Amino acid sequence: AQKITQTQPGMFVQEKEAVTLDCTYDTSDPSYGLFWYKQPSSGEMIFLIYQGSYDQQNATEGRYSLNFQKARKSANLVISASQLGDSAMYFCAMREPPGSGYSTLTFGKGTMLLVSP
Amino acid sequence: DAGVIQSPRHEVTEMGQEVTLRCKPISGHDYLFWYRQTMMRGLELLIYFNNNVPIDDSGMPEDRFSAKMPNASFSTLKIQPSEPRDSAVYFCASSFGGGNQPQHFGDGTRLSIL
Repeated sequence: AQKITQTQPGMFVQEKEAVTLDCTYDTSDPSYGLFWYKQPSSGEMIFLIYQGSYDQQNATEGRYSLNFQKARKSANLVISASQLGDSAMYFCAMREPPGSGYSTLTFGKGTMLLVSP
Repeated sequence: DAGVIQSPRHEVTEMGQEVTLRCKPISGHDYLFWYRQTMMRGLELLIYFNNNVPIDDSGMPEDRFSAKMPNASFSTLKIQPSEPRDSAVYFCASSFGGGNQPQHFGDGTRLSIL
């Protein structure tokens, strides 16, 4: 079963507008973490923002914020005031603790965001 | 601070040849990860190390793939013999500790097997 679902293959937004990229996840463990990464056309993977399952407040990092709805198991990324440089693929990822030791990240299939002037 | 450094950035080689990908993690990071990215399968974890010790290699597709980490500042991913279906972008990532620490990725190696 897919653990991370990103239902939007592509999104379009006009410059200076806000955009929300959807991410839903599936886990039965109460302790987990959610990450968002950006992959521009140049190919590198850039860490954007993190949300822990026990965090009381939604994470924010500059123009990025995470709309975390635990009961719905969703962790949507909100980009405010879009810029042309935001055009990229965006990946949602989840860390689940295994029984012991370090846990690994499971990535969604990504959403391609295009920002138009 | 220097990020994760991978080499080469691009590699084109013929089927059957040995391929070696290299990675230098961020200094002080104790976890190192190798991923493969393809259009069909997305990002897949191949193997990861903790303090230079391989912890989980269940993602390594076949015996043709091997990875080593002889010291804290260097890791290799080797494919021998290479096949066209190994063509992909291979990423190395590192992190300090587990939990909420993000993995920091290198720029990747774009591998093409002809």
